[in-house]
Amino acid sequence: DSGVTQTPKHLITATGQRVTLRCSPRSGDLSVYWYQQSLDQGLQFLIQYYNGEERAKGNILERFSAQQFPDLHSELNLSSLELGDSALYFCASSVDLETQYFGPGTRLLVL
Amino acid sequence: EDQVTQSPEALRLQEGESSSLNCSYTVSGLRGLFWYRQDPGKGPEFLFTLYSAGEEKEKERLKATLTKKESFLHITAPKPEDSATYLCAFTGTASKLTFGTGTRLQVTL
Repeated sequence: DSGVTQTPKHLITATGQRVTLRCSPRSGDLSVYWYQQSLDQGLQFLIQYYNGEERAKGNILERFSAQQFPDLHSELNLSSLELGDSALYFCASSVDLETQYFGPGTRLLVL
Repeated sequence: EDQVTQSPEALRLQEGESSSLNCSYTVSGLRGLFWYRQDPGKGPEFLFTLYSAGEEKEKERLKATLTKKESFLHITAPKPEDSATYLCAFTGTASKLTFGTGTRLQVTL
């Protein structure tokens, strides 16, 4: 157990809908990262927050957004969902911007 | 362009048959080279961080090494429970992890 928690574990929704994925980092970790893992793309970095501020952006679609709250938990919002958004979404956290510890992931299926 | 390539894509070993997984990387300004283990449907599990060429780290049957262009994950006398996908990743000027596509390891009795 890495200490990073993610909810929900599974999510099934329809195209065009909006969902919110939640992540609680390890105690004391200020940095939260979001990654997407699909069968054909591997693990891809989406976005990073550090102590509430956006720190870096990767290949994140405009339909996706994230935020980090004062208690350091983070949410990833996915809107206007398409079939191709079906993937595993992982959150990771780190204390020192180095070693990242990953959560168990949220499996999203868009039908 | 920063990138990482892992080989082989898949590896099948018999229990006790040692081998090595390769990770070749190209990055301007390596900060850290990471190895993770991932079981199907689970999150990556941290194994090692390496920072400079010549560095080595060990954990049970696993040993990770680093050169200026490659990292190796050596598996000594593997057991079936070592079966997983092993992912290599690095951080460069940004703190995001850039991952390889992994090596799927299967260890049979």
